[in-house]
This record gives sequence, structure tokens and C-alpha cells, in this order.
Amino acid sequence: SQQGEEDPQALSIQEGENATMNCSYKTSINNLQWYRQNSGRGLVHLILIRSNEREKHSGRLRVTLDTSKKSSSLLITASRAADTASYFCATDQVYSGNTPLVFGKGTRLSVIA
Amino acid sequence: EPEVTQTPSHQVTQMGQEVILRCVPISNHLYFYWYRQILGQKVEFLVSFYNNEISEKSEIFDDQFSVERPDGSNFTLKIRSTKLEDSAMYFCASTPGQGRGNQPQHFGDGTRLSIL
Repeated sequence: SQQGEEDPQALSIQEGENATMNCSYKTSINNLQWYRQNSGRGLVHLILIRSNEREKHSGRLRVTLDTSKKSSSLLITASRAADTASYFCATDQVYSGNTPLVFGKGTRLSVIA
Repeated sequence: EPEVTQTPSHQVTQMGQEVILRCVPISNHLYFYWYRQILGQKVEFLVSFYNNEISEKSEIFDDQFSVERPDGSNFTLKIRSTKLEDSAMYFCASTPGQGRGNQPQHFGDGTRLSIL
């Protein structure tokens, strides 16, 4: 089974609009993280939310976590062209075997100026 | 702000050849990781390393792969006999403590490995 699947796969919005990306996972987690990846670059950590937290904010970013639905969302408010990137969720599973972090396939966000 | 640095940025190698990818983690970090990202696909965990030993490794990290911390700053990933399917971006990451998923991982910009 796949862990940390984001949707949509791609999202295109106008500058100033809000962007919402979703992540679903299948097994119990300890923590969930969101990362951004600009084209050709490494991943940059955005937010970590623990399994006992429901919502977290950082600047224009808002992350929610619903452990009953095994899902998380990342909201970017008042988007800018510089927010154009791929966004990945990564889960720290309770029973993970030998894999500390499992990444999803990501959402490609395009913000059009 | 301290960074994880990786060299080279792009490596082109003939199939069957050995390749070594290099990383300099953030200096006060203790846990180091290698990930792989095949073009257009998800980032996949390969291995974690702590106190000069492999801490965890995935099914991808088979006998063709090895990691080493040859000195106090470098962390290397070696692929002994490369295959076409090893073509990917390889990312190094580090965390101050035992990261697993409870602390942010700091990533380098990756090495693009192309196997011909």
C-alpha cells in the first residue's frame, strides 16, 4: 500500500489565490511533515505536525491533520509566483519497519503571475 | 544558515562502473541519510547512518550500495556496479539527533546520476 499520497498531482492557480494540497496515508503515524522542492533542488522542510496536533501555522502556511481520516492538508494563502514548486508530505509511521520517513509523489503547484 | 552540500551535482557513468557520491552534512548533526528520486517519482529512503554504523536501510539498499564516513565531515554513498535503473537524483540529508520522523531533515541539492 502507498503511504503519503498527495492530491491533486498538479495545481495551477493565479497569484493571490489560495492553494490547498491534500495528503492521505494508510497506517498510523507518529508525525507528518510537509516539504517543498523547487525544480532541480533539494527538499526544504516546511512544517512538522505531530499525531496529537490538529492544526499548525507558519506564516502563510496552514497544515491540518485528521488522524481519524488519515489525511492532512497544506494550505498556502495569498500565493506568490515564488511558491511555484512541488510539495510533498512525508509520514513517520508507527510500524515502519526500516523506513523512517515515507514520501508521497507530491503535488506540482504552479502560481501564475 | 548551515547547509548540506553534495558533490558532484551531475555524474555520468557507464553501466557496470563504480560511482561514489559525496555529501558534507551540517557540522553538528549526528544522523545522516541517503534518499533517491527517480525522475518524476517519489523520494525513496535508502539508508540512515549514525555513530559510524548503518542505523536503518530499505529494500532498495542492497549489496551494491555502501555508505561510509571516511573523515569527520564527508558522508559517501558508493554504488559498486551501476545499472541503468540506478539513474536518479540522490539526496543526502542530516538531522541533529535521531530524526526518524520527529524532526525536520535538512537536504542537500542532490546529485543527478546518469547511467549510460
